[in-house]
Amino acid sequence: GAGVSQSPSNKVTEKGKDVELRCDPISGHTALYWYRQSLGQGLEFLIYFQGNSAPDKSGLPSDRFSAERTGGSVSTLTIQRTQQEDSAVYLCASSLSQGGLGEQYFGPGTRLTVT
Amino acid sequence: AQRVTQPEKLLSVFKGAPVELKCNYSYSGSPELFWYVQYSRQRLQLLLRHISRESIKGFTADLNKGETSFHLKKPFAQEEDSAMYYCALGSPGANNLFFGTGTRLTVIP
Repeated sequence: GAGVSQSPSNKVTEKGKDVELRCDPISGHTALYWYRQSLGQGLEFLIYFQGNSAPDKSGLPSDRFSAERTGGSVSTLTIQRTQQEDSAVYLCASSLSQGGLGEQYFGPGTRLTVT
Repeated sequence: AQRVTQPEKLLSVFKGAPVELKCNYSYSGSPELFWYVQYSRQRLQLLLRHISRESIKGFTADLNKGETSFHLKKPFAQEEDSAMYYCALGSPGANNLFFGTGTRLTVIP
């Protein structure tokens, strides 16, 4: 079956512009996660959705970052006024189980480059 | 607070040699530990989890609560094992997995 998909696969943007990253989770997965993968930094947790609600926004690095999920499915991560330090691979994952105990299925990622 | 440490960023072994990727964690409760793997140009995927006690692709990992470790081992490395390996910790009540910084394994032919 179809796995987690993300778009775009690559995004180059100028400093100060806004970007939107999209994630389509596996159908039926109620839990959705966003992570950021920077060189040498591992995976940094950003935000978690259970259904359409985000009980944990603690990982968002600044108020320039926001995310929403609609219909219990598609999620968008928005970064406003991008900075060079936002350059990273943004990964989305979904899971049947809520919380941190279930297997997470990852998308291919969006590579964001801020020039 | 939960924390996962992978002390080796890079690890190279010869084909056929044993390999051990180290993972240490800090967590006061009962953790659930995972190993995720990312092969070249592929997405991150689950390799194994301690609760299932399986051997996947010849890899095993034993949870040692005394040493707070979950090292990944394989007795005979293969070239196709070359990849990035991440150790991750989950816990009841947590909303996400805590990942280590990863170890890039290169198996030399």
